[in-house]
Amino acid sequence: QSVLTQPPSVSGAPGQRVTISCTGSSSNIGAGYGVHWYQQLPGTAPKLLIYVTSNRPSGVPDRFSGSKSGTSASLAISRLQAEDEADYYCQSYDSSLSEWVFGGGTKLTVL
Amino acid sequence: QVQLHESGPGLVKPSDTLSLTCAVSGYSISSGYYWGWIRQPPGKGLEWIGNIYHSGKTYYNPSLKSRVTISVDTSKNQFSLKLSDVTAADAAVYYCARVDSSGYSDYWGQGILVTVSS
Repeated sequence: QSVLTQPPSVSGAPGQRVTISCTGSSSNIGAGYGVHWYQQLPGTAPKLLIYVTSNRPSGVPDRFSGSKSGTSASLAISRLQAEDEADYYCQSYDSSLSEWVFGGGTKLTVL
Repeated sequence: QVQLHESGPGLVKPSDTLSLTCAVSGYSISSGYYWGWIRQPPGKGLEWIGNIYHSGKTYYNPSLKSRVTISVDTSKNQFSLKLSDVTAADAAVYYCARVDSSGYSDYWGQGILVTVSS
């Protein structure tokens, strides 16, 4: 059981906007630690999508955005495309566990 | 362009030690950053194993700490993972990555599947 909770799956039609939540606690997201997001296409290594809550690495489309409020963070994907179909993971640091933790992952299906 | 490449045995016997190496190209490990290992059991999520700074200082997942050793060889521009006393629960794809001080991994290797079986 991950300390960062993500919905197992989300779906949306092409062109729509979807959000993926990442719910933590006062020892991780709520403590002010940055949240990072990764996209993992089938059979490939994870790819950094968002770092330190809301920053996009070079080359990541501005359709992807991140935010944080309290003990939760969210990844929003607008103008959904078929190529966005993948697993998405959030990551943060947990001071109680003294370790970097990942969410359980969310599978995005583009209908 | 920073590139990382994992290598090592794809099959390890139960109770043996898993040993993997990550060769880094396009960036000198001595220049900075942390360097880490993350694993992913088949069909499951990501698990942080540990990080090492170029100076050699290490940070380990507490649940694996008693069995994990991460080391760095700056002369070869590579770092390594050793996981002792493996069981079937250690079977996974093992990734190496470059890790920023904020904790995110911006460059990843392609991953290596390690099976634990006699």
